[in-house]
Amino acid sequence: NAGVTQTPKFRVLKTGQSMTLLCAQDMNHEYMYWYRQDPGMGLRLIHYSVGEGTTAKGEVPDGYNVSRLKKQNFLLGLESAAPSQTSVYFCASATGGEGPYEQYFGPGTRLTVT
Amino acid sequence: AQSVTQPDIHITVSEGASLELRCNYSYGATPYLFWYVQSPGQGLQLLLKYFSGDTLVQGIKGFEAEFKRSQSSFNLRKPSVQWRHAAEYFCAVVLLGLPGGSYIPTFGRGTSLIVHP
Repeated sequence: NAGVTQTPKFRVLKTGQSMTLLCAQDMNHEYMYWYRQDPGMGLRLIHYSVGEGTTAKGEVPDGYNVSRLKKQNFLLGLESAAPSQTSVYFCASATGGEGPYEQYFGPGTRLTVT
Repeated sequence: AQSVTQPDIHITVSEGASLELRCNYSYGATPYLFWYVQSPGQGLQLLLKYFSGDTLVQGIKGFEAEFKRSQSSFNLRKPSVQWRHAAEYFCAVVLLGLPGGSYIPTFGRGTSLIVHP
């Protein structure tokens, strides 16, 4: 099993450009999440999904969109990148339902917006 | 509002010394509790978890944590720290019974462990 993979690992964007981050999991997990990690801020939830075809907003959703067309994939989109979106982005998945609730994380995508 | 507090932003220990990282939560009920570790440049990895039962739980890499209901705490411990344990440690909770049957983990802000030789 590859677990949770993220594509790409690094990216540099100019302000106003768009991009999509791909998260894939091969554990048949129902729940998937996108977080951003900034120094001193810990992990902040952007969006999450509790199943194929569903998405919901997290703590910091502005400027991002997501889609979960297939159970194994969770896409995070930036329509018009801003320097404030410079961050490390992590995807995670979990079984959901009755548990056991622990999350499995991808290796992260380091995004720089200039 | 529910919250998870890791009061120590940084902790510095000498190699071979013992370690305790603090985690406190503010909820009415007992949540599910987790500790994750993040090595530099990597994603988070689960160290251990508490759901119910024995309040002292063992995890991977020789870590353990103790749940104390009276103190709303779930502190992580390691008897002897090595340089390879230098990393960021995150406490997280899941509160059951949220509307719709879904759940959102809440993370503390993390504690950075520095190990001196």
